[in-house]
Amino acid sequence: DAKTTQPTSMDCAEGRAANLPCNHSTISGNEYVYWYRQIHSQGPQYIIHGLKNNETNEMASLIITEDRKSSTLILPHATLRDTAVYYCIVNNAGNMLTFGGGTRLMVKP
Amino acid sequence: DAGITQSPRYKITETGRQVTLMCHQTWSHSYMFWYRQDLGHGLRLIYYSAAADITDKGEVPDGYVVSRSKTENFPLTLESATRSQTSVYFCASRSRQGNPVEQFFGPGTRLTVL
Repeated sequence: DAKTTQPTSMDCAEGRAANLPCNHSTISGNEYVYWYRQIHSQGPQYIIHGLKNNETNEMASLIITEDRKSSTLILPHATLRDTAVYYCIVNNAGNMLTFGGGTRLMVKP
Repeated sequence: DAGITQSPRYKITETGRQVTLMCHQTWSHSYMFWYRQDLGHGLRLIYYSAAADITDKGEVPDGYVVSRSKTENFPLTLESATRSQTSVYFCASRSRQGNPVEQFFGPGTRLTVL
C-alpha cells in the first residue's frame, strides 16, 4: 500500500472550513484514498473515500488532484465536535487498513 | 442493541495470564477485524476474519489467537499476556457487499498488563 504523509496537527476556527491535506505520491492506479477520524478514546469512524473524482457526502468533501498524488479532506463548517485525529489511508480496498499517525485537528471557539 | 460491542471495556491483568476480549456485532457482517492501538499511535491490524471459521493474520498477530465459530462473534485471546500487549483493542466489522472500505468500529477495550 502507498505511504501517506499528513501534518501532525492543525487548528481551525469553529464555523470555518477545515482543509486537511494528505500526500500520497506513490499511489498506484487501483488504490483508493479514504479518510477515517477518531474522536478521543473512541473507535475510528469512516468519513469518505475516492478513487479519481472528487467526492462529497453529508460529512465532508474529498478533493483529489488530477495526478492523484495528493488529496484534501474538507469539513465545510467545522464544529467543536469535529476535534479528532484524521487518518488518510491509501489502499486497494482490501482488508488491511494501515493507520499512520494522522492529523490532530483542534477546532477552537 | 444494534451495532458492535466489546467486552470488557477495561481489563487489568498480570503477566502470564490468559485473557479473552469479546466482540459481538448484530449486522451479520461477513468480515470482522481486531486492531490494537498503542498510546499516541495509529491502529495496527492483528487478525481478521472473512466469514465464520475463516481467519487470517494481520500485521501483528504474534501472541494472539482468534476464533470465529459464529458470524456475530470474534473473540481475541492473549494466551500468555505480556506487558507489551498493554494497549487499546478495537474490533471492527464490515459487510461483504456495498462500500468495501467502510469498517464499523467498536468502542474499544483498554487492557493493562502488569
